[in-house]
Amino acid sequence: QQQVKQSPQSLIVQKGGISIINCAYENTAFDYFPWYQQFPGKGPALLIAIRPDVSEKKEGRFTISFNKSAKQFSLHIMDSQPGDSATYFCAAYNYGQNFVFGPGTRLSVLP
Amino acid sequence: EAGVAQSPRYKIIEKRQSVAFWCNPISGHATLYWYQQILGQGPKLLIQFQNNGVVDDSQLPKDRFSAERLKGVDSTLKIQPAKLEDSAVYLCASSLARGFNSPLHFGNGTRLTVT
Repeated sequence: QQQVKQSPQSLIVQKGGISIINCAYENTAFDYFPWYQQFPGKGPALLIAIRPDVSEKKEGRFTISFNKSAKQFSLHIMDSQPGDSATYFCAAYNYGQNFVFGPGTRLSVLP
Repeated sequence: EAGVAQSPRYKIIEKRQSVAFWCNPISGHATLYWYQQILGQGPKLLIQFQNNGVVDDSQLPKDRFSAERLKGVDSTLKIQPAKLEDSAVYLCASSLARGFNSPLHFGNGTRLTVT
């Protein structure tokens, strides 16, 4: 119930390509779904987030797609750049149970 | 604004020794979190404070881990005695308040190696 699953574990994309990372959850009480970006030696930083009453949210090159019935959500990075190379964590939140993080996806964007 | 400050950045100790980590949150942030991030995994919540009170410590191994947040500002996390499996990055985060409208701001963490 508490687990957030994330795939793939690692991803290699050419510069200019689309990076897609998928997450799934079980607990329907979650009501907020953020994505965090983490560079080596740094703490995670909030990238973009969505609430379940919206099916898609876009901020620049980053888009979250949310499927409430399937309990799945995904991060799409358009026109991926070498500077996007980092580890990405999806997370799920509700007030009583706090943030639960996925295991992370290591993205490498080749120049 | 200044970010979340953590020290030390790195710590190497032998098993059964004790260690302490320090965190200074962003000024005005009432909520403070300690997370454990084992290599290749996502952060796992150890303890959450609201001001100087504990909100959630359900995943804190209380036989060896302790944390305090005196005066509702900075916080320390202690491990005594350390085990090999405690090797991880310990992240401190803060937010203005509880709730999804208050995003987490993470520090850069303390990397602990237990030998």
